[in-house]
Amino acid sequence: SQQGEEDPQALSIQEGENATMNCSYKTSINNLQWYRQNSGRGLVHLILIRSNEREKHSGRLRVTLDTSKKSSSLLITASRAADTASYFCATRGFQKLVFGTGTRLLVSP
Amino acid sequence: GAGVSQSPRYKVAKRGQDVALRCDPISGHVSLFWYQQALGQGPEFLTYFQNEAQLDKSGLPSDRFFAERPEGSVSTLKIQRTQQEDSAVYLCASSPGGRVGSSEQYFGPGTRLTVT
Repeated sequence: SQQGEEDPQALSIQEGENATMNCSYKTSINNLQWYRQNSGRGLVHLILIRSNEREKHSGRLRVTLDTSKKSSSLLITASRAADTASYFCATRGFQKLVFGTGTRLLVSP
Repeated sequence: GAGVSQSPRYKVAKRGQDVALRCDPISGHVSLFWYQQALGQGPEFLTYFQNEAQLDKSGLPSDRFFAERPEGSVSTLKIQRTQQEDSAVYLCASSPGGRVGSSEQYFGPGTRLTVT
């Protein structure tokens, strides 16, 4: 079963705009990870945030984590057509990853 | 360098046939994972190996599913007597470490299985 849910399920924006997607999860975590999946490159790790961190940046990505609300958000700034993909949050249970349901992002030129 | 590779990339099986899906992890990676991804869903965990030991198979949906990694490198996921509900993308991932809380997982391109 899925650990969490992403919101929105689908998001359509124009190039240059920012995209924000949210993830809620159910259990206590050590870290939360975000992955991107598209047909060209499969599932790729984007960023990891630990439970004692509140915000983390990597290039155009900004991730926040609120453990009291069991939620995380991923912000992609200045989006590009190449950012079109599905985005998943994943929490770690022992060794395995438990994925959310994903947000499908479409960035139009 | 070479990433995780999987073969075949696409497999069509008639209901009742057995299939074998192969995963070649990144060389030297201790941990290997199999996930099943249904259309429009996130990947769901099937099983985990640390070297040749299968430490967690809690996600295998039935006893028709079997995985092995006999020499601690290449792994095979076998599905016996395939059913239509087995249609999905099967993803393999590897990671360097064996300890709890170690690094990110590197995914292969997946095998898309269609059972007709």
